[in-house]
Amino acid sequence: NAGVTQTPKFQVLKTGQSMTLQCAQDMNHEYMSWYRQDPGMGLRLIHYSVGAGITDQGEVPNGYNVSRSTTEDFPLRLLSAAPSQTSVYFCASSYGNDQPQHFGDGTRLSIL
Amino acid sequence: AQKITQTQPGMFVQEKEAVTLDCTYDTSDPSYGLFWYKQPSSGEMIFLIYQGSYDQQNATEGRYSLNFQKARKSANLVISASQLGDSAMYFCAMRGPTAGNKLTFGGGTRVLVKP
Repeated sequence: NAGVTQTPKFQVLKTGQSMTLQCAQDMNHEYMSWYRQDPGMGLRLIHYSVGAGITDQGEVPNGYNVSRSTTEDFPLRLLSAAPSQTSVYFCASSYGNDQPQHFGDGTRLSIL
Repeated sequence: AQKITQTQPGMFVQEKEAVTLDCTYDTSDPSYGLFWYKQPSSGEMIFLIYQGSYDQQNATEGRYSLNFQKARKSANLVISASQLGDSAMYFCAMRGPTAGNKLTFGGGTRVLVKP
């Protein structure tokens, strides 16, 4: 039982490049979310999904796209990377509102 | 809008002593939930404890307990008998009433346990 798996763990991009951060969970959770964590701060919600085919914006969605074609996968796409998107990105999943979110190990992303 | 405030940026605690981490929140929704997470230096997020707004009793999980004072809008985490492995960042987070288990996080408190 792998839980929430994020790939890659580290990535360096140049400004303007695009990329996709992968997230997969094997717990059959309906809810999945993407957060970013900037140095010395708490996590902020980027996008979330309440089930396959259903996504919505969080607190800081600009510059990011998501899709949820299956229950298991929830990729995050950076459309045109900017230095302000340098951060640690966490994917999380849960059964429901009163259940703890299970977090992946994070992706450390640097934009030069 | 929801807001979480953690006023203690950092604190030291002696091994085997108890420590209280403060968390205050602001919401107009009657239904909400409060979570505490631990983030060690390795970076992963570890769930510690959960309190629902309608729960009658304070939540406890092993050495962790939550001092929930609804009227004061506070949800302080108490760690009893601190261990060296408790040195980490601790985050308070709140979810609202809508679906998605969307969390709003506080800025965190760094705890350093001294031997």
